[in-house]
Amino acid sequence: AQSVTQPDIHITVSEGASLELRCNYSYGATPYLFWYVQSPGQGLQLLLKYFSGDTLVQGIKGFEAEFKRSQSSFNLRKPSVHWSDAAEYFCAVGATDSWGKFQFGAGTQVVVTP
Amino acid sequence: NAGVTQTPKFRILKIGQSMTLQCTQDMNHNYMYWYRQDPGMGLKLIYYSVGAGITDKGEVPNGYNVSRSTTEDFPLRLELAAPSQTSVYFCASSYSVADQETQYFGPGTRLLVL
Repeated sequence: AQSVTQPDIHITVSEGASLELRCNYSYGATPYLFWYVQSPGQGLQLLLKYFSGDTLVQGIKGFEAEFKRSQSSFNLRKPSVHWSDAAEYFCAVGATDSWGKFQFGAGTQVVVTP
Repeated sequence: NAGVTQTPKFRILKIGQSMTLQCTQDMNHNYMYWYRQDPGMGLKLIYYSVGAGITDKGEVPNGYNVSRSTTEDFPLRLELAAPSQTSVYFCASSYSVADQETQYFGPGTRLLVL
């Protein structure tokens, strides 16, 4: 079975600074990897996804993520955060051999200070 | 398209009561999912469905039932509500075709069991 770990529960970043959120996964084969964002009181919105091909994927809102097979990681980055990026971010892994079953990480809460 | 809609938005139940959480999608997605989200935790998969008439258990199915009579609807039933079922419930849907399995989430139903 697959699993996903987000080591950072909470991150505080200044507006305009760069942001990196960590995600590590455990899975025997090449997984499907996703990053979602959840604003307060809202559902989850997909930021980006990786299925295959180029290991650096671009998403919405200026986010990107890099799949590193050797490190079993799929870290999310943004060069310059905006106050509107304050939210909770979830990494998720889908299994290529058990379609429909996703595992979500526990989430990382991002606080943006002026 | 309305996407994924959920009703109600909020509900208070007494212990032992039953209720059905409604979920509808208008994107003609084959796959539908029910998750629960507890404070400080990621999403846990309760049940999912790969098409009308086909459902399967996720990670935390105990205390819940589902049915899928149409492509559009995927209701979640709580038969005997317990305080442990206090949570936020999210419905999601996705295509079934590989490389297209992006899950689209509804806004959530907040349930309080007292």
